[in-house]
Amino acid sequence: QKEVEQNSGPLSVPEGAIASLNCTYSDRGSQSFFWYRQYSGKSPELIMSIYSNGDKEDGRFTAQLNKASQYVSLLIRDSQPSDSATYLCAVNIRDDKIIFGKGTRLHILP
Amino acid sequence: KAGVTQTPRYLIKTRGQQVTLSCSPISGHRSVSWYQQTPGQGLQFLFEYFSETQRNKGNFPGRFSGRQFSNSRSEMNVSTLELGDSALYLCASSSGSPPRDTQYFGPGTRLTVL
Repeated sequence: QKEVEQNSGPLSVPEGAIASLNCTYSDRGSQSFFWYRQYSGKSPELIMSIYSNGDKEDGRFTAQLNKASQYVSLLIRDSQPSDSATYLCAVNIRDDKIIFGKGTRLHILP
Repeated sequence: KAGVTQTPRYLIKTRGQQVTLSCSPISGHRSVSWYQQTPGQGLQFLFEYFSETQRNKGNFPGRFSGRQFSNSRSEMNVSTLELGDSALYLCASSSGSPPRDTQYFGPGTRLTVL
């Protein structure tokens, strides 16, 4: 089992709809979870971090964490064409390494 | 606050050569991590330096090495370059206080090996 798994996509979502991005991880001891956005040819930029079970909201973005199911997700409300990018899930694992998933390509349809 | 800077931004080398990449972290950050990003493998962790010491290491061959200076700037070296080393090399800086330690990425160095 890979340490951090994401569906590679592409995930196509109509403009104005909710985009839902999912990530699973294998290390039950993981404590920190991050979502990054990466535009083509650019470096990853942090969207948000989450450490506790439940939801965390920041503007149009909501991160959801379920440690029992080893699952973290990112919801993007009112999707805009500028949200089209690759979204990377990152998890801290044993020895405090941060491991990234391969990312999900999101395409917002105008 | 200035962000993470990486130099050079682009590099073209031939097989067998060696290369040194540089990363200057955000002021006050003591940890620098290096990643290799390729289309097929995604972001892969190379190593992390904290207070001039390698604190963590990924699964890369010994041709990949790094160091960190007293001002937290870090360099990464790849010796005997192979075609497969062509990638985007990213460094990320953080305060160095896991587990709630957020990484901020530099713009990356695009390395092409011919």
